[in-house]
Amino acid sequence: KAGVTQTPRYLIKTRGQQVTLSCSPISGHRSVSWYQQTPGQGLQFLFEYFSETQRNKGNFPGRFSGRQFSNSRSEMNVSTLELGDSALYLCASSPDSLNTEAFFGQGTRLTVV
Amino acid sequence: AQSVTQLGSHVSVSEGALVLLRCNYSSSVPPYLFWYVQYPNQGLQLLLKYTTGATLVKGINGFEAEFKKSETSFHLTKPSAHMSDAAEYFCAVSVSGANNLFFGTGTRLTVIP
Repeated sequence: KAGVTQTPRYLIKTRGQQVTLSCSPISGHRSVSWYQQTPGQGLQFLFEYFSETQRNKGNFPGRFSGRQFSNSRSEMNVSTLELGDSALYLCASSPDSLNTEAFFGQGTRLTVV
Repeated sequence: AQSVTQLGSHVSVSEGALVLLRCNYSSSVPPYLFWYVQYPNQGLQLLLKYTTGATLVKGINGFEAEFKKSETSFHLTKPSAHMSDAAEYFCAVSVSGANNLFFGTGTRLTVIP
């Protein structure tokens, strides 16, 4: 069974631009969560989607948004990029919303210049 | 509110020595507790988890952890360190399953040959 796939793996964007990151969960998994990892703030929860609905949201500005499609694939979007948005963005999938195990992808490394 | 404290951002042990990585949590309700490992430029891999039941949890690669409610701790141990254990380790807590994790700041483990 294929794991969680995140694309692209690396991305360089300019301040003020927007970016879309993609996450394909493990087949059959319906919950997708997103995390931001930075040296200064560590790993922080962004949001969780289950069956195309956002169920939980972390403490991030509205520039960070996401969505989930009917096939459970998820995208997150960051608008008006700032230098501080440079981070590793990790996606995790679980079979359902109250599962006790999340499987992580390898992440997308976003660099904002 | 939940929080996780990992004591020691860097831990060094000799190959073959005991590994002890400390994690203390704060949670207003019985938590789910997790240990993840991250290798450079990789996502997170679940080592072990505590949800309910037996307080001594065994995980992959010879790691185990004990949930001590009275001490609000979930320390990770391995009897004998291997060079391949060198990585960053994250303790995480959740009250609603693995889809919404609150992570500690991580402990980088170095194994000295």
